[in-house]
Amino acid sequence: AQSVTQLDSQVPVFEEAPVELRCNYSSSVSVYLFWYVQYPNQGLQLLLKYLSGSTLVKSINGFEAEFNKSQTSFHLRKPSVHISDTAEYFCAVSDVRSGGSNYKLTFGKGTLLTVNP
Amino acid sequence: DGGITQSPKYLFRKEGQNVTLSCEQNLNHDAMYWYRQDPGQGLRLIYYSQIVNDFQKGDIAEGYSVSREKKESFPLTVTSAQKNPTAFYLCASSTGLGGTGELFFGEGSRLTVL
Repeated sequence: AQSVTQLDSQVPVFEEAPVELRCNYSSSVSVYLFWYVQYPNQGLQLLLKYLSGSTLVKSINGFEAEFNKSQTSFHLRKPSVHISDTAEYFCAVSDVRSGGSNYKLTFGKGTLLTVNP
Repeated sequence: DGGITQSPKYLFRKEGQNVTLSCEQNLNHDAMYWYRQDPGQGLRLIYYSQIVNDFQKGDIAEGYSVSREKKESFPLTVTSAQKNPTAFYLCASSTGLGGTGELFFGEGSRLTVL
């Protein structure tokens, strides 16, 4: 069975500071990896994803995440955060299985990023 | 625009009443899901459906029921048997079998039991 661990439930930072939100997973097979963002009282939006190829993936708003297979990690980083980045961030994993039986994601419990002025 | 529509966004109910949350998608996705979200507990899967006229229990199905009579629709009924129904409910869809598992979410429905 898969599992996802987000090591920090809350991360407070000051505006323009760098941030890293940590995500580790366990799985006995190859995986797809996702980061979702949730603003208050809204649904989740996909931020970025790793499916294959380059292990460094980037979003359009400056976030990036690197897939590290040996450490089973997919940490999310941003070099300089804005007030508008305040949200909850969820890491998720699904299995890559031949025949496509990966029917659902496994989510971490989320990390609340609070950016202070 | 393609997407997932949940309604109502806010709902209040008295104890002992059943309530149905609507979820409609126009993404032509085969699979649909219902999640419950409580503070500090992340997302918990209630029910999912991989194809029309078929659905499976998730991790916390007790006190809930669903139907999947049309590909576009996956309503969730919160019954009076659900002991603690106050929560934020999220509907999602994916391409289903053969896909990556990537989910597309609706805006959510907040249910409050008075």
